[in-house]
Amino acid sequence: GAVVSQHPSWVICKSGTSVKIECRSLDFQATTMFWYRQFPKQSLMLMATSNEGSKATYEQGVEKDKFLINHASLTLSTLTVTSAHPEDSSFYICSANSPTSSYNEQFFGPGTRLTVL
Amino acid sequence: AQSVAQPEDQVNVAEGNPLTVKCTYSVSGNPYLFWYVQYPNRGLQFLLKYITGDNLVKGSYGFEAEFNKSQTSFHLKKPSALVSDSALYFCAVRDGPDSSYKLIFGSGTRLLVRP
Repeated sequence: GAVVSQHPSWVICKSGTSVKIECRSLDFQATTMFWYRQFPKQSLMLMATSNEGSKATYEQGVEKDKFLINHASLTLSTLTVTSAHPEDSSFYICSANSPTSSYNEQFFGPGTRLTVL
Repeated sequence: AQSVAQPEDQVNVAEGNPLTVKCTYSVSGNPYLFWYVQYPNRGLQFLLKYITGDNLVKGSYGFEAEFNKSQTSFHLKKPSALVSDSALYFCAVRDGPDSSYKLIFGSGTRLLVRP
């Protein structure tokens, strides 16, 4: 139980295009999902917290108009990188909280590697 | 503000020897501490957590961690390292009592276990 998937696992796009990344909780309902980005050999940096049915809360320094987050259901959140540029190339990881009291922790997706040419 | 520090970028250990990966924390209020492991091009896998209770926490794959309030530390340990333990390890602190709160990660420590 408590599996989180991400799609796609990797994507290459041209500069100026938009890319959508999906994060799904497969066997549980997640009221909160988190989006992180990770540069090579660095730690995870939280980008935003999204709650189902409401606007995402972005961390300081993260452009909300560039990184659009939609949490339309209890099992799906999407991150859209708009007008992507090479500096947006990174590893994007989502996590979802399991409200089941026996877990009380976040479960992470396998990540999506974005390369912008 | 909550934070964790991992003072070592890399830890090298021989297979079969005990390993320790260090983590210190700074919190206001109760500490909610976690260890995760990341293999190349993969997401994070949960190892263990300290919320309350016994200071020695046992987790997945034979790992354990000791919560030390006086030293504000939460070091990850394993009695006998395996080559397959080689990976990137992250210590994290959670901003609140349940999983809807965000995690703040340390900088990560790369563990290399040599045969």
